[in-house]
Amino acid sequence: DQQVKQNSPSLSVQEGRISILNCDYTNSMFDYFLWYKKYPAEGPTFLISISSIKDKNEDGRFTVFLNKSAKHLSLHIVPSQPGDSAVYFCAANQAGTALIFGKGTTLSVSS
Amino acid sequence: EAGVAQSPRYKIIEKRQSVAFWCNPISGHATLYWYQQILGQGPKLLIQFQNNGVVDDSQLPKDRFSAERLKGVDSTLKIQPAKLEDSAVYLCASSPGGYQPQHFGDGTRLSIL
Repeated sequence: DQQVKQNSPSLSVQEGRISILNCDYTNSMFDYFLWYKKYPAEGPTFLISISSIKDKNEDGRFTVFLNKSAKHLSLHIVPSQPGDSAVYFCAANQAGTALIFGKGTTLSVSS
Repeated sequence: EAGVAQSPRYKIIEKRQSVAFWCNPISGHATLYWYQQILGQGPKLLIQFQNNGVVDDSQLPKDRFSAERLKGVDSTLKIQPAKLEDSAVYLCASSPGGYQPQHFGDGTRLSIL
């Protein structure tokens, strides 16, 4: 029973264009949502988060959108850079509890 | 600020042997987590500590896995005896709690022969 789903295993984008990574969740009790970036042989690195009281959070080139009615969130990266190539994990929880992760989406940004 | 430290980075053992992993969280972080990440999957919680008390160990295979967090700082995770299915990356994370992100170490990659 996957509570957090990332249905696209991979995404390829050209440098300078927008990358959009999607995530769906099933547990309506989740109130905190996060994106992590992971390079090979390293641990996940926190990227950006959003609480359920908001529908958008922006940090530089990264913006996360939350649609609670659809139980859907997305990460937008604009403009995409080759250094953004990594595995991106969507995660969710109730504050202070363990994170529930999706399976990840591998983003490849070509120059 | 120093990050979450884990050791060893890699470990290879034979099935039925025992192994231990160590984690030092970010200073001041009260909450510590151990996750298991199998290839192609997202990390999954094994155990959560708040200071030196266990908050959630519902997914820890207690017949073979054990963990402790003495003095509410460092933590160790042990597997005894190891099975082939335990081959994975074991990640430690820490957080101040509440609506604060968890920060991860680089993990220990365990291979069981």
